[in-house]
Amino acid sequence: GAGVSQTPSNKVTEKGKYVELRCDPISGHTALYWYRQSLGQGPEFLIYFQGTGAADDSGLPNDRFFAVRPEGSVSTLKIQRTERGDSAVYLCASSPGTHAGTQYFGPGTRLLVL
Amino acid sequence: AQKITQTQPGMFVQEKEAVTLDCTYDTSDQSYGLFWYKQPSSGEMIFLIYQGSYDEQNATEGRYSLNFQKARKSANLVISASQLGDSAMYFCAMRGLTGANSKLTFGKGITLSVRP
Repeated sequence: GAGVSQTPSNKVTEKGKYVELRCDPISGHTALYWYRQSLGQGPEFLIYFQGTGAADDSGLPNDRFFAVRPEGSVSTLKIQRTERGDSAVYLCASSPGTHAGTQYFGPGTRLLVL
Repeated sequence: AQKITQTQPGMFVQEKEAVTLDCTYDTSDQSYGLFWYKQPSSGEMIFLIYQGSYDEQNATEGRYSLNFQKARKSANLVISASQLGDSAMYFCAMRGLTGANSKLTFGKGITLSVRP
């Protein structure tokens, strides 16, 4: 079956612009996670959805970052007023449920803020 | 809070030989899971192996095995019969298995290079 997909694969934007990153999880997976990976580091947690609701958004760095999952499937990570420090790879993962199953990752979106 | 430590800066191994990648962890959770992921240059995180804290036997998945030593809080990955395609970054990660928070905490990763 299809894995986690993310679009776009690459995004270049200018400082101050708004960007949206999309994640399409594995069909049937109720849990969805966003992580951010800076160069030379491991991924860092941003936000976790169980169904349509954000169960944990403690990793969002500030109020410029927001994510939605309105129908419990596709999720969009939104970044307002982008800053150069937002440049990173944004990874999405999904799993069958809260405590069951492994998190399977998508290929990531490489965001570059100029 | 959870913490993963991967201190090996880079590892080299000859093709067909075995290699061990180190991982130590710290957590206050009584029940937790440990994971290893592979990240090739393409960037995708590929799940390799999982070990539950209450599993009595070490996990194995094909050429991958996890040397779990709970008292030492270590979860080293062993790759047997290395292949050129094993060259990649390897990340150790963990999460608690109780409560509502199931986020993964990752280490900084280890670069593995397989020599022909």
